[in-house]
Amino acid sequence: KAGVTQTPRYLIKTRGQQVTLSCSPISGHRSVSWYQQTPGQGLQFLFEYFSETQRNKGNFPGRFSGRQFSNSRSEMNVSTLELGDSALYLCASSLVMGRSYEQYFGPGTRLTVT
Amino acid sequence: AQKITQTQPGMFVQEKEAVTLDCTYDTSDPSYGLFWYKQPSSGEMIFLIYQGSYDQQNATEGRYSLNFQKARKSANLVISASQLGDSAMYFCAMREGMDSNYQLIWGAGTKLIIKP
Repeated sequence: KAGVTQTPRYLIKTRGQQVTLSCSPISGHRSVSWYQQTPGQGLQFLFEYFSETQRNKGNFPGRFSGRQFSNSRSEMNVSTLELGDSALYLCASSLVMGRSYEQYFGPGTRLTVT
Repeated sequence: AQKITQTQPGMFVQEKEAVTLDCTYDTSDPSYGLFWYKQPSSGEMIFLIYQGSYDQQNATEGRYSLNFQKARKSANLVISASQLGDSAMYFCAMREGMDSNYQLIWGAGTKLIIKP
């Protein structure tokens, strides 16, 4: 079974631009979560989607948005990029069944804003 | 206030020795889950082990075990017989509640280096 895939793996953008990152979950997984990882702030939850609905959102400005499609693939968008948005963006999918709600992560997209 | 605390920023351990990585948590929710993830230098987050707040026994997964001390709010990861491939960042994370709003709260991580 294929794992979580994220595209692109690396991205360089300029301040003020916008960016869209893509995540394809494991087949059959309907929940997709996004996290931002930076050296200073560590791992922070961005949002979670389930069946095309945003169920939970972290404490990030409105410049960060996302969506989920009917095939469970998800995209996140960051508008008006700032230097502080440089980070590793991780996507995770889960089956949302059973006790553990185990999340499987993709390799991440490393975004550099110059 | 920090909800997940990992007090060891870095550790050096001799190969084949056992390792204990510390994690303490803070929650008032009676239902919660605790996770450990490994992140190699490649960046991908790898699930290691899970412990539910109502689980009576400590979780084990191969060489990984979780020393769960509920009264102390402690969930330490124990790696038996460490290997060179265990060198990575290790993160403790918590999920609060059992409803559908699911998010993980993460610790700052511990960088583990296994020496040959």
